[in-house]
Amino acid sequence: KNQVEQSPQSLIILEGKNCTLQCNYTVSPFSNLRWYKQDTGRGPVSLTIMTFSENTKSNGRYTATLDADTKQSSLHITASQLSDSASYICVVRSGGYNKLIFGAGTRLAVHP
Amino acid sequence: DTGVSQNPRHKITKRGQNVTFRCDPISEHNRLYWYRQTLGQGPEFLTYFQNEAQLEKSRLLSDRFSAERPKGSFSTLEIQRTEQGDSAMYLCASSLSLDPTGSSYNEQFFGPGTRLTVL
Repeated sequence: KNQVEQSPQSLIILEGKNCTLQCNYTVSPFSNLRWYKQDTGRGPVSLTIMTFSENTKSNGRYTATLDADTKQSSLHITASQLSDSASYICVVRSGGYNKLIFGAGTRLAVHP
Repeated sequence: DTGVSQNPRHKITKRGQNVTFRCDPISEHNRLYWYRQTLGQGPEFLTYFQNEAQLEKSRLLSDRFSAERPKGSFSTLEIQRTEQGDSAMYLCASSLSLDPTGSSYNEQFFGPGTRLTVL
């Protein structure tokens, strides 16, 4: 069964600190992996996309990694800001399918 | 605003009533998707359209649910005889794909969602 699991379920950090979110997937065939940010009451917005051959990709203070052998990805946020408070969802696309397989998300709260 | 829009943003209804949601995708996008998201969970796929054709439906889409995209532009999702278990956020997304096999890495852009509460 295709699944995407994320950890931790929730996380609280202080403003300015770094954090790392984890994503494990059992999806085959694998096409690509995206990290989305979803603010409360809003739709998800893509942060990064990674294909099979990519190991690291950065988007400002966000850095995503992908290990296709172990089927793990991480999202590292540096120098967190209050506006980073949101849910971060790992999404895997399988082969040519048009539907995406979503993780349950990690709810991040950044406190001053 | 040229993003995906959804209306209404919030809907409160009584059990047994019918509700209809509308999604306006990004204008040049040929694919449109509906998802359902419950609290604390990621979105779950419901159905998708390529232009006006509904090409795939999830098993989550019971007989009480129907989606249309009559002219290949906006789409509607109707829920008949609503149940309390239908309470969720209903998300719409759109994408542009020029690849008929569906294997291109086209990004789906999400709307803000319609939050349904069934009392």
